[in-house]
Amino acid sequence: GESVGLHLPTLSVQEGDNSIINCAYSNSASDYFIWYKQESGKGPQFIIDIRSNMDKRQGQRVTVLLNKTVKHLSLQIAATQPGDSAVYFCAERNQGGKLIFGQGTELSVKP
Amino acid sequence: EAGVAQSPRYKIIEKRQSVAFWCNPISGHATLYWYQQILGQGPKLLIQFQNNGVVDDSQLPKDRFSAERLKGVDSTLKIQPAKLEDSAVYLCASSSSWGASTDTQYFGPGTRLTVL
Repeated sequence: GESVGLHLPTLSVQEGDNSIINCAYSNSASDYFIWYKQESGKGPQFIIDIRSNMDKRQGQRVTVLLNKTVKHLSLQIAATQPGDSAVYFCAERNQGGKLIFGQGTELSVKP
Repeated sequence: EAGVAQSPRYKIIEKRQSVAFWCNPISGHATLYWYQQILGQGPKLLIQFQNNGVVDDSQLPKDRFSAERLKGVDSTLKIQPAKLEDSAVYLCASSSSWGASTDTQYFGPGTRLTVL
């Protein structure tokens, strides 16, 4: 079956450091991937996406890397701030257009 | 632009009782989704509507869950009767179209259901 999972359930970083959140996916036919941020008591918020014909995409302070060879996705957050503290989910869109979410990584930023 | 609205935000019921959740998607969004998010897990799709028609309800426990979007705008999700394992956050999301690779889903704040 399809599954998207994260390597680490929790990540603690110092304010100002860079954060890297990893994700493994199993469906090699998925062609679109998304990172969501979910703060406590809120719904997931879109951060950045990437199509399978790309291996890197940059946004404001965030970069997503896609390695299709090993079916690995990562989210890099530059100069991590306290406001970045949240649970981060990767999701893949399957051929039917359904989003399959991973389990989530909780990012904690220490001041 | 107003986001996806959901109500109530919290609900506590006893098992075997019924409960209903309401969602108002972003104006003009044709596609509406209901997800179930169990604590510590990612959201899982329950049902997807395109306008007022069901596109995918393969993971909806149809013996107790039902959903409708009669006029292609607002939607309600109902559980009858509720079980303890239904305790979760129920998220509604909407998107402007379906199937396009740039079709971003926007999520509401969710309804946290506790079944005692």
